[in-house]
Amino acid sequence: SQKIEQNSEALNIQEGKTATLTCNYTNYSPAYLQWYRQDPGRGPVFLLLIRENEKEKRKERLKVTFDTTLKQSLFHITASQPADSATYLCALNRDDKIIFGKGTRLHILP
Amino acid sequence: AAGVIQSPRHLIKEKRETATLKCYPIPRHDTVYWYQQGPGQDPQFLISFYEKMQSDKGSIPDRFSAQQFSDYHSELNMSSLELGDSALYFCASNLGTGGEKQYFGPGTRLTVT
Repeated sequence: SQKIEQNSEALNIQEGKTATLTCNYTNYSPAYLQWYRQDPGRGPVFLLLIRENEKEKRKERLKVTFDTTLKQSLFHITASQPADSATYLCALNRDDKIIFGKGTRLHILP
Repeated sequence: AAGVIQSPRHLIKEKRETATLKCYPIPRHDTVYWYQQGPGQDPQFLISFYEKMQSDKGSIPDRFSAQQFSDYHSELNMSSLELGDSALYFCASNLGTGGEKQYFGPGTRLTVT
């Protein structure tokens, strides 16, 4: 069955640096891959979606890449700020549902 | 802009009781998804509805049932509650099938004692 692995449970990055989060999956390549942000006790918030025929997608300080050969997506936050501290979830689609990874807790240190 | 509304926000029940969680999707969204998130866990997909019909099913226990009504709101009914059912329950909505760009509600925190 499809599995999703996010590189680490927690990641500490100095303010102003680029934070890079990794999402790896097994088995089949999904039609698209999504990244969500989740703050404690709140629902996930959609950030970016990248399709299998796209290499890269950008939105303001966020960038997502999708490598179907490596079965990997990278999520970058440039010029990171303490307000970017949150858990970031990678999600793959399967039919009408999405499967979430366990997330990476990102801490931006001032 | 209107968001997904969930009620109640907090619910405390005893074992073997029944609970009903409600979800009101964003206006014009026709698909609703239910997720369960335990402490420190990722959201686990339970069930989804598109145009009032069940569209997909995940790890939903047989003790749980759900439906989507004509106004597109959805209810998750949970019976014979167990301690392990304590979790955050999220509802999400979007337009059409495919699971893309889901908009999540604030969640209902269910505590079973």
